[in-house]
Amino acid sequence: TQLLKQSPQFLSIQEGENLTVYCNSSSVFSSLQWYRQEPGEGPVLLVTVVTGGEVKKLKRLTFQFGDARKDSSLHITAAQPGDTGLYLCAGAGGGSNYKLTFGKGTLLTVNP
Amino acid sequence: SAVISQKPSRDICQRGTSLTIQCQVDSQVTMMFWYRQQPGQSLTLIATANQGSEATYESGFVIDKFPISRPNLTFSTLTVSNMSPEDSSIYLCSLARGVGETQYFGPGTRLLVL
Repeated sequence: TQLLKQSPQFLSIQEGENLTVYCNSSSVFSSLQWYRQEPGEGPVLLVTVVTGGEVKKLKRLTFQFGDARKDSSLHITAAQPGDTGLYLCAGAGGGSNYKLTFGKGTLLTVNP
Repeated sequence: SAVISQKPSRDICQRGTSLTIQCQVDSQVTMMFWYRQQPGQSLTLIATANQGSEATYESGFVIDKFPISRPNLTFSTLTVSNMSPEDSSIYLCSLARGVGETQYFGPGTRLLVL
């Protein structure tokens, strides 16, 4: 069983601050997805990272996939109240193992 | 990405009854999945909905409790049978264009069992 540890579980910050969310595993993933979920909604895909060491940027969000493809991070610069939500990382095993393993999520609150 | 809709968006049900949740996609997709998200928790895979054959269930989930249909490549249903308060959750369908491809999620169905 592949496990994904996500940290921190809760994060409450002020508008304008920076933050980093971590997703770690002892297993190798073929790809890793980051989702954001708002109350009453389904998870919305933010990014998929595939290559070890890959860095992807989405406006103020920077995603990194570890060289060994076992861990990932999400960094938000100058957080805004609209960034509030549950951030979920999910790893795919690859090949015939198409199932996603989800982390427990990071509940981010950005206060104005 | 495809447009995914779920019906109902929310429901309040009595213990012992059953509810069928529908998931409709606006284009044909290879893989469809059903997840449960209990309050304050992450997502747990219930089963993979296979077109034209029985769903593949994860450990802890059985067909009698969560029967699933997938009559074609754009539609699937999940039934939560003989409900109890412990079944109160968000139920989500997701899709992937192919094996190992990125999954996209529907808006979810919020179920409260009294």
